[in-house]
Amino acid sequence: AQSVTQLDSQVPVFEEAPVELRCNYSSSVSVYLFWYVQYPNQGLQLLLKYLSGSTLVKGINGFEAEFNKSQTSFHLRKPSVHISDTAEYFCAVSIGGSNYKLTFGKGTLLTVNP
Amino acid sequence: EPEVTQTPSHQVTQMGQEVILRCVPISNHLYFYWYRQILGQKVEFLVSFYNNEISEKSEIFDDQFSVERPDGSNFTLKIRSTKLEDSAMYFCASVGGHTEAFFGQGTRLTVV
Repeated sequence: AQSVTQLDSQVPVFEEAPVELRCNYSSSVSVYLFWYVQYPNQGLQLLLKYLSGSTLVKGINGFEAEFNKSQTSFHLRKPSVHISDTAEYFCAVSIGGSNYKLTFGKGTLLTVNP
Repeated sequence: EPEVTQTPSHQVTQMGQEVILRCVPISNHLYFYWYRQILGQKVEFLVSFYNNEISEKSEIFDDQFSVERPDGSNFTLKIRSTKLEDSAMYFCASVGGHTEAFFGQGTRLTVV
């Protein structure tokens, strides 16, 4: 079975600072990797995904993530955050070729302060 | 842009009552899911549905839960006899041909 670990439950940063949200996964087979964002009182919105190919993937709102197979990581980064980036961020995996069921991490609350 | 819609957005029910949560997935999608998120915890998989039958279910999805796609558009989650611990946000999701799951806005279920 696969699992996802998000090492930081909360990450406070100042506006315009860079941020990295960490995600590690465990799986005995190849996986697809995703980052979802949840704004207060809203559903889950896809930020970006890694399926195959280039290990650096770019998503919406200026976010990017890098897949590192040897370290089984998929960290999310943004070079300069805005107040509007304040939200909960979830890393998730699904097994390639399966029914696309997602296994989520516990989430990281990113709080951007002025 | 196509989206997954869920109704109601909030549902308050008494313990022991039956509830039905409704979802309209994206029309040309083939895989359908229910997830739940207990307050302050992670999003957990409940069940997946493909080709008009359950393809996988988690340990959480016991005999009190059922899913149905009664008319080719709606996708429902029924909880037969709600318990206090069923209080959570329930998300519906669907997947088409590109592996990406599209989520609805969720239904907040409160069991009192």
